[in-house]
Amino acid sequence: EAGVVQSPRYKIIEKKQPVAFWCNPISGHNTLYWYRQNLGQGPELLIRYENEEAVDDSQLPKDRFSAERLKGVDSTLKIQPAELGDSAVYLCASSLQGGLNYGYTFGSGTRLTVV
Amino acid sequence: AQKITQTQPGMFVQEKEAVTLDCTYDTSDQSYGLFWCKQPSSGEMIFLIYQGSYDEQNATEGRYSLNFQKARKSANLVISASQLGDSAMYFCAMNYQGGSEKLVFGKGMKLTVNP
Repeated sequence: EAGVVQSPRYKIIEKKQPVAFWCNPISGHNTLYWYRQNLGQGPELLIRYENEEAVDDSQLPKDRFSAERLKGVDSTLKIQPAELGDSAVYLCASSLQGGLNYGYTFGSGTRLTVV
Repeated sequence: AQKITQTQPGMFVQEKEAVTLDCTYDTSDQSYGLFWCKQPSSGEMIFLIYQGSYDEQNATEGRYSLNFQKARKSANLVISASQLGDSAMYFCAMNYQGGSEKLVFGKGMKLTVNP
């Protein structure tokens, strides 16, 4: 069974340009998360979806970041315009709903470099 | 608020030896989960072991065991018989009932296994 698939693996863009990341969760996982991991730090949650509904986006910088999960499966995270400080690894994860240990699985991440 | 503290920035261990990675946490919740994850240089976050706050026995998964001391709020990871492939970043994380199921991560620590 395929795990959480993310693309692209790497992205280099100039500041002020837009960028988008894509995530395909594990089949049947109704919960999807986007995390941002800055260099030398642990991941921090940006947004969580239950099916197609964003149930926690309190840490998403809404002035430049947007996300969608149409049909409750794949998800896209967008940054427009990108800033130098957005350089980080963007991790997608998925899980089954309910409980504290529910098959949490991360993708390999997208490493974004803004120059 | 929930907080994970990992004070060891890095550790070195000889192949086949055991190693303990420290983690302390802070929470006022009664029901929570503790995780250890491994992140190799490829970037993917791999879950190693889970401990629920109400679990009476320490969790074990193959060569990994979690030394859970609830009163001290510590959740140290013990890796027995280290292998070269264990060289990676290790993160301690927690989630909690009612916390929107997001994971709160520590800053991580780098383990290097020497031949």
